[in-house]
Amino acid sequence: DAKTTQPNSMESNEEEPVHLPCNHSTISGTDYIHWYRQLPSQGPEYVIHGLTSNVNNRMASLAIAEDRKSSTLILHRATLRDAAVYYCILREVWYNFNKFYFGSGTKLNVKP
Amino acid sequence: GAGVSQSPRYKVTKRGQDVTLRCDPISSHATLYWYQQALGQGPEFLTYFNYEAQPDKSGLPSDRFSAERPEGSISTLTIQRTEQRDSAMYRCASSVRANEKLFFGSGTQLSVL
Repeated sequence: DAKTTQPNSMESNEEEPVHLPCNHSTISGTDYIHWYRQLPSQGPEYVIHGLTSNVNNRMASLAIAEDRKSSTLILHRATLRDAAVYYCILREVWYNFNKFYFGSGTKLNVKP
Repeated sequence: GAGVSQSPRYKVTKRGQDVTLRCDPISSHATLYWYQQALGQGPEFLTYFNYEAQPDKSGLPSDRFSAERPEGSISTLTIQRTEQRDSAMYRCASSVRANEKLFFGSGTQLSVL
């Protein structure tokens, strides 16, 4: 099973950008990179996903290395509401179905 | 429904009892996942359904765990002869299709005494 490696925790100041790294050296050519986040006492929520090209949406940006062995989730201006555990997940495609294996996650603390 | 609904929100049971957890996915979502999440850990995959088919149950920790989704909508996760190590948050998620993003429910917190 393809696995991801993330730092256990990171800290950021409010209003500053945050770069959350993820290593996935065993990624296969058909694996998508997904990011989810889990706010305290809530279920995980989707943030962004990509395959090869960098992606942007209203929540964040995803930068994918050229060799696809690592990626970075970018929060352009962290707010206190962004304090959460961020999970980098490889969406393994097996036939037509998918497995989602969550990594250990990075706990992001945002300081006012 | 508007979102993924799980019930009960909390379940306290005695060791050796059977429990059944329920998940009501977003209507028309074909794929449904069950996860187990221990305190301070990320969700661990248990099993998933594509409509009523259950292509993968490899994450179920033992044969005491089973899940079904007989009509391709509501799903139940049953744990027989519960043990203290089964205490965890059980989360359900659904997606439109197998390749789409997951929507999670609020979870069922199971405590086995």
